[in-house]
Order: sequence, then C-alpha cells, then structure tokens
Amino acid sequence: QSALTQPPSVSGSPGQSVTISCTGTTSDVGTYNRVSWYQQPPGTAPKLIIYEVSNRPSGVPDRFSGSKSGNTASLTISGLQPEDEADYYCSLYTTSSTVVFGGGTNLTVL
Amino acid sequence: QLQLQESGPGLVKPSETLSLTCTVSGGSISGFFWSWIRQAPGKGLEWIGYIYYSGSTSYSPSFKSRVTMSVETSKNQFSLRLSSVTAADTAVYYCARLHCSRTSCYDTFWGQGALVIVSS
Repeated sequence: QSALTQPPSVSGSPGQSVTISCTGTTSDVGTYNRVSWYQQPPGTAPKLIIYEVSNRPSGVPDRFSGSKSGNTASLTISGLQPEDEADYYCSLYTTSSTVVFGGGTNLTVL
Repeated sequence: QLQLQESGPGLVKPSETLSLTCTVSGGSISGFFWSWIRQAPGKGLEWIGYIYYSGSTSYSPSFKSRVTMSVETSKNQFSLRLSSVTAADTAVYYCARLHCSRTSCYDTFWGQGALVIVSS
C-alpha cells in the first residue's frame, strides 16, 4: 500500500502564500497524475479542491493551485484568507484501484 | 444538488458488526462509484473502500477481512458493514461519490458524516 507524507502543520499570515507538500514514490506520485486535494474546515466534511494534480473543480477559487515535481505533489494557497484555516489532505488513486490519503496538514492563518 | 446522508446506529458493542447506510438524493446511484471513508477523533482520513452501482467493489487491505459493501439501486442507497469492531473503529464515517475519469478517481460529493462509537 502506497504512503503519502505531508507536513503536520503549516502557517501563514493573511495575504501570504503557503505550500503544502505531499510526497509519494517514483512509481505512484512520480508516474501518474492521480493526486487530489481535500480541504476540511473544523467540524465539517472534506471538500474536493484539486483533482488530477492541478485541476480545480467548479467553484473553487483560483487562489488554490496544484502542481507536481518528481515524487512530490504540492498545494499552493495564495492570498491567504482567514477562512482557509483548515486541515488539508492529499489523496492518491493507486494502480491497485485503491485510494490512500496523506496524514493531513493543519493550516493556521496567523 | 446531489446530497448524501449517512444513517445507522451511533453506538455499537465491541465484537459486533457496524452497519451504515448512505442515502443518495438529488441524483441517481446508477452509473457511479460510491466510497466509504472514516476519520477517528482527532485523526486523519482513512479510506475504507468503494462500490460500483453494479456491485463490484474495491476494499482497502486494512479492512478487507472485515468489510462488506452493498448497493440497493431501487432505494438509491449503498451500505457498509464492518465486522468484529473494537474501540479503534470509533470514528466519523463518511460516504461519498467517487468520480472516475480515464486516469484517476476522486471523491466529489461527501455526506456530512455519522459518528459511530464502539463501546460496551
């Protein structure tokens, strides 16, 4: 089973940019564009914000962007706003037709 | 607008079977994949598995020996059964619709979640 590694926490001030990393392996994240990102504000259900590495669903602000370099996918939030404070999870659809989540990153807006 | 609602007992005794149902409204269950994901208190998301509307399934290796998913298209519902539960299975259980493209799958719509506590 693949494992995805995320930093436990990141922080930034309003208006700044933050980047959350999601590291896998050459054979999963490094090879396939199968990473998605979810935002989970406190006490709510997760919400899809990025799919297939860099695509945004309708209604997600363009302040949220995704990218990939080598074995690491990244979520960048620019123009940080207080309502961006949440937990963020990356997810990978594996070659075994299963799904694995990263451990999650708590974003604090200072 | 698609809505998903989890339902089932909020309290299950150790060693018994946890059963949850997800009711889909605002759209048909047919033609789609449907997921179950859980989140233990204060912990991260944990994928349990998914079921296609036709009944084919994919389960996480972590749950494969204990999990059964089923679908009832006539009621627009799908269900989760997790056997031999312990306190470690205490979690909020989410159902979600899994969208699959040519290259990937990702959960687009989520239910609000149902807390299940395992305790005697």
